Amino acid sequence: SYVLTQPPSLSVAPGKTATLTCGGANIGRKSVHWYQQKSGQAPLLVIRSDSVRPSGIPERFSGSNSGNTATLTISRVEVGDEADYSCQVWDSIIEQPIFGGGTKLTVL
Amino acid sequence: EVKLVESGGDVAQPGGSLRLSCAASGFTFRSYWMNWVRQTPGKGLEWVANINQDGSEKDHVESVKGRFTISRDNAKNVLYLQMNNLRAEDTAVYYCARDSQALDYWGQGTLVSVSS
Repeated sequence: SYVLTQPPSLSVAPGKTATLTCGGANIGRKSVHWYQQKSGQAPLLVIRSDSVRPSGIPERFSGSNSGNTATLTISRVEVGDEADYSCQVWDSIIEQPIFGGGTKLTVL
Repeated sequence: EVKLVESGGDVAQPGGSLRLSCAASGFTFRSYWMNWVRQTPGKGLEWVANINQDGSEKDHVESVKGRFTISRDNAKNVLYLQMNNLRAEDTAVYYCARDSQALDYWGQGTLVSVSS
């Protein structure tokens, strides 16, 4: 089945830009969704369909998708952005949603 | 306001059964596919099952097929997950999530712990 690969961790200083990646074979042909999960909380959709921000999500969050890599970019990172970020696509072969393993973003 | 509230999580013995519920409000429940997604402590998200608007189409991840069954009651706005023959590896927080291509709203989760 389709596999999504995310780096397990990323550290970034406040005010800098965080670039989180999600790798998969020809992922650019798929629609990628990104979820933020803060400690002890439910996942929150922050980017849908590669680059669409749901209502209420700050403009600092943006997404792109091309080739074999989808990217979630968080500009002007804040301490409150510290969370696990997971990507998700629809696997058209097995017709099921697939999640990446998640990246833990640390803001320090 | 869209709200999803799970319940039914508990400690169960291997081979036991539980039924999870997800009460939906704030949107037209019967108009959406719905999903169950689980998360093992300290691990990533794993999709478990989904069901279409009228319950006529459903699917489950291979590891739970024949043991878990997703269903819904559109009159009551409730999503269910019947879990039979539970295994230790089913221990997780179980979330229900609304499906609009992406999983756009999630409940707070309910903990299932399978242990003897």
